Order: sequence, then C-alpha cells, then structure tokens
Amino acid sequence: DAGVTQSPTHLIKTRGQHVTLRCSPISGHKSVSWYQQVLGQGPQFIFQYYEKEERGRGNFPDRFSARQFPNYSSELNVNALLLGDSALYLCASSIRDGGTDTQYFGPGTRLTVL
Amino acid sequence: AQSVAQPEDQVNVAEGNPLTVKCTYSVSGNPYLFWYVQYPNRGLQFLLKYITGDNLVKGSYGFEAEFNKSQTSFHLKKPSALVSDSALYFCAVYNTGGFKTIFGAGTRLFVKA
Repeated sequence: DAGVTQSPTHLIKTRGQHVTLRCSPISGHKSVSWYQQVLGQGPQFIFQYYEKEERGRGNFPDRFSARQFPNYSSELNVNALLLGDSALYLCASSIRDGGTDTQYFGPGTRLTVL
Repeated sequence: AQSVAQPEDQVNVAEGNPLTVKCTYSVSGNPYLFWYVQYPNRGLQFLLKYITGDNLVKGSYGFEAEFNKSQTSFHLKKPSALVSDSALYFCAVYNTGGFKTIFGAGTRLFVKA
C-alpha cells in the first residue's frame, strides 16, 4: 500500500505570495492533519480534518486555511507569506485504533520564503 | 494543558550498548502516548504507542517504551543500539479534546560504531 504522499517536495516563494500544498492520505484513512515543523523544533499542529469537516485547529493565524475533498485528499493554503513561514510542512493521515488516532506522516513539503 | 518534555537534546551511545531516550508528559485524563522517529529530510515514522494495558510497549525496529504512571514518564528503549538508529526521536501525546497530537522538541540520537 502506498503511504501518505505530498506535493510538491520543495517550494520557494517570496514574501506576500500565497502557496498551496497537497496531501493524499493512505487508502482507507478518512482523517488528515497538517503540521508545521520549523528547523530544530518538533512539529506544531495546524489543522485536522475528518470527513471533510474541520475537527481541530492549532494556534495559527487566519492566513492558514485548509480543506479536505470527497476523496479525503487535502490542501493547505497559506496567504501573505512571511519569512517565518519557512518550514517543513507535514501531512499525516490517521485511522482510529483503540480510542485514539495513530498518525502516519508523509515526507513533507519544504517551503522556503525569501 | 497537555504537554510532553524531552529533557535531553542529544543522546550519545556506542553501537551494541542499550539506549534510552527520555520523555515525561503532563495530561488530564488517560494518556495516549507515542514515539516517532525522523531521518534527515524525511517525514516522521511511527514507532509505537501506549493506550492502556501493559506498561512495556513493543514497537518497530526492536524499540520498546516503558510507561510509568507515577513518574509520568514514557521512555524509549532498545537493548542493543545500531548505527542506523541515529536519528531524531519525538515523543508525543494525543489530545482527545482538540483532536491533535502534541510533540516534544525532539532528542537527537547518535550511535557511534
């Protein structure tokens, strides 16, 4: 089975631009989460979507938005990019197992904002 | 608020020796705890999780973790380290109320041949 896939792998943008990152979950997984990982830190939770509905949101500004499609794939959008948005963006799909979600991560999209 | 702490930025161990990567947690209610590993320029790989039951949890690649409720710890262990175990390790707790996973800052493991 294919794992979580993300595109693009790398992306370079300039301040003020917007970006769209894409994620395809593992087949059968209905939940997708997005995380931002700044160099040297642990991943920070941005969003979780389940069955196309937002189920959780982290402490990120409204410039960050996301959506989930009927096939359970997801997009993360970031508007008005800032230098501080440079990070590895990780997508995880999950399945409920024993009362909790076990998340499986994609390889990430490396975003550089110049 | 739920949180995890990884008190060591880096752990160094010789190949063949046992390794321990430490994690402490703070949760309200039952803890759902995880360990993930990250290799350079890669996403996170799931190693193991604790939900309930036995305090010793076995996971992938020979890793195991010991849940200690009284010490609020969930340390990652391996009896015999390999050079290929060198990576960044993250402890995490699942927040059922917010539907999110909260990660520690990570511990870099170096295994020397």
